[in-house]
Amino acid sequence: KAGVTQTPRYLIKTRGQQVTLSCSPISGHRSVSWYQQTPGQGLQFLFEYFSETQRNKGNFPGRFSGRQFSNSRSEMNVSTLELGDSALYLCASSWGRGNEQYFGPGTRLTVT
Amino acid sequence: GESVGLHLPTLSVQEGDNSIINCAYSNSASDYFIWYKQESGKGPQFIIDIRSNMDKRQGQRVTVLLNKTVKHLSLQIAATQPGDSAVYFCAETPYSGGGADGLTFGKGTHLIIQP
Repeated sequence: KAGVTQTPRYLIKTRGQQVTLSCSPISGHRSVSWYQQTPGQGLQFLFEYFSETQRNKGNFPGRFSGRQFSNSRSEMNVSTLELGDSALYLCASSWGRGNEQYFGPGTRLTVT
Repeated sequence: GESVGLHLPTLSVQEGDNSIINCAYSNSASDYFIWYKQESGKGPQFIIDIRSNMDKRQGQRVTVLLNKTVKHLSLQIAATQPGDSAVYFCAETPYSGGGADGLTFGKGTHLIIQP
């Protein structure tokens, strides 16, 4: 079956702009989590959605937000982009708690 | 805050040898641990997991050991192959019953396989 897909794969934005990233989980998975990966900070948890509800949130400013749709697809939005937001944004899906997460290939965001 | 870390940023081993990658965690409430492998340009790939009620779990060519007394986790890869070259991350979550929500990742160890 198809894995986790993320679009777009690459994105270049300028400071102050906003961006929306999309994630389609594996069919049947209801939990979607988002992570930010940078060389300096490594992999950091952003937030997790289950059945359209945010269940858990990492330590990121309010400029980072997300949502989940009824088909479990998820989007994350970053407003007022800063240079430090340049990173690989990873999405992971799972059946729910107690189950392993499957990661997508990520969206590489570059802020100039 | 509490975090999960790895002891070595880089580990170089000969092809065919066994590899051991170590990880220390500090959150005593952690009850579910996972090892991921990340190749260049790809997202992390699940390798093996272990729950806190176990101290050892084996997969295909991989073994994870958990020592809750000293909060230490290790990944053993038997007979390493060129395809094992990647960055390896340990991750943990404190949610009871296991669960991969809100994983805390270590910094990663880059495993280099020498011919």
